[in-house]
Amino acid sequence: AQKVTQAQTEISVVEKEDVTLDCVYETRDTTYYLFWYKQPPSGELVFLIRRNSFDEQNEISGRYSWNFQKSTSSFNFTITASQVVDSAVYFCALSGGNDMRFGAGTRLTVKP
Amino acid sequence: GAVVSQHPSWVICKSGTSVKIECRSLDFQATTMFWYRQFPKQSLMLMATSNEGSKATYEQGVEKDKFLINHASLTLSTLTVTSAHPEDSSFYICSARLRGDRYNEQFFGPGTRLTVL
Repeated sequence: AQKVTQAQTEISVVEKEDVTLDCVYETRDTTYYLFWYKQPPSGELVFLIRRNSFDEQNEISGRYSWNFQKSTSSFNFTITASQVVDSAVYFCALSGGNDMRFGAGTRLTVKP
Repeated sequence: GAVVSQHPSWVICKSGTSVKIECRSLDFQATTMFWYRQFPKQSLMLMATSNEGSKATYEQGVEKDKFLINHASLTLSTLTVTSAHPEDSSFYICSARLRGDRYNEQFFGPGTRLTVL
């Protein structure tokens, strides 16, 4: 069975602070894909990143970075110098077979 | 990129009526489409997986007679909420997977907010 755990329900930071969103997953598949999505108040999911199980290289995209560690089954997401526009719910998701399983989400609030 | 649309974006209906939500892949063929439901402040929960030309596969606990899914073509899937009740009020999101995609990536529609009075 596949499972994604986002233990942080809500995080509140002040603008310009760095913040890390945790994601831990469980799967028996040897080939799988991990994703991060942003869901702003409008509700539409915004794709942020996809990672396959064979690529543990960390990735940086502007203020966003991701740390994938198979040894701890984690795929954490860091926002550097957070901004008010980063306020949203962030979902980590795992896809190994035919479907995709989402974590519970982390609601990030960035205060000015 | 691959674009998925949903129609309507929001709908309000009376209890007991049926509501149909459309999900279209605009610029690609989708052999598989997914339907999710999201209650306020909760995560997306997969309701069903539909493959073009075959019956949908429902997740445990989802009533197939209440949530009718039709995937008649490679670009269109519909979800009909039959005899809707207030507890069916939710945000419904569809997604589609590219034909031949090897990354298991799903492209999500913007969602449909259903309110049943």
